[in-house]
Amino acid sequence: GIQVEQSPPDLILQEGANSTLRCNFSDSVNNLQWFHQNPWGQLINLFYIPSGTKQNGRLSATTVATERYSLLYISSSQTTDSGVYFCAVERDAGNMLTFGGGTRLMVKP
Amino acid sequence: DAGITQSPRHKVTETGTPVTLRCHQTENHRYMYWYRQDPGHGLRLIHYSYGVKDTDKGEVSDGYSVSRSKTEDFLLTLESATSSQTSVYFCAISRVRNEQFFGPGTRLTVL
Repeated sequence: GIQVEQSPPDLILQEGANSTLRCNFSDSVNNLQWFHQNPWGQLINLFYIPSGTKQNGRLSATTVATERYSLLYISSSQTTDSGVYFCAVERDAGNMLTFGGGTRLMVKP
Repeated sequence: DAGITQSPRHKVTETGTPVTLRCHQTENHRYMYWYRQDPGHGLRLIHYSYGVKDTDKGEVSDGYSVSRSKTEDFLLTLESATSSQTSVYFCAISRVRNEQFFGPGTRLTVL
């Protein structure tokens, strides 16, 4: 099956810093999503981005499908950004997402 | 929000007992999914449904069965729970463009 690798696995930031999270995948995909799992365990949709660039407030994402990677940018980080960020991809049209291992982010005040 | 609820939210049970988890959606979406989340493994697909009475296996389906008799409900059953099935279970629905949205999760502990 398709492999999804995220880096770094852990990240500690001071409030106000910027960061870039990376997601590499092993095959062509027709769906890629970024999620934030908050400290209460809730999975929050950030981006649906199989290709191109999107922005939502302090967050933006870019997927380069031909090179099989996606990047999530967090600017001016806040303590509420803490949690785990997951990248998930779907290769075929069967709507089955394969998740990466996540990046655990801690933002310190 | 996405209109997904899961019940129960927490459950503790004993090895060998049957357990049923319920996922309910209010938005009439065709696709529904069950995932489990474990430390070191991320989220993995158990079963999914692409319509009433239409289901298929995911990556980790052994020991689980599902049923979908109505569009709004997707049930996950552990016929005889084992300690290895202690996990957090998430239900998801799929809207347009294959984007998936997740429910709040059910924390299951099998003693």
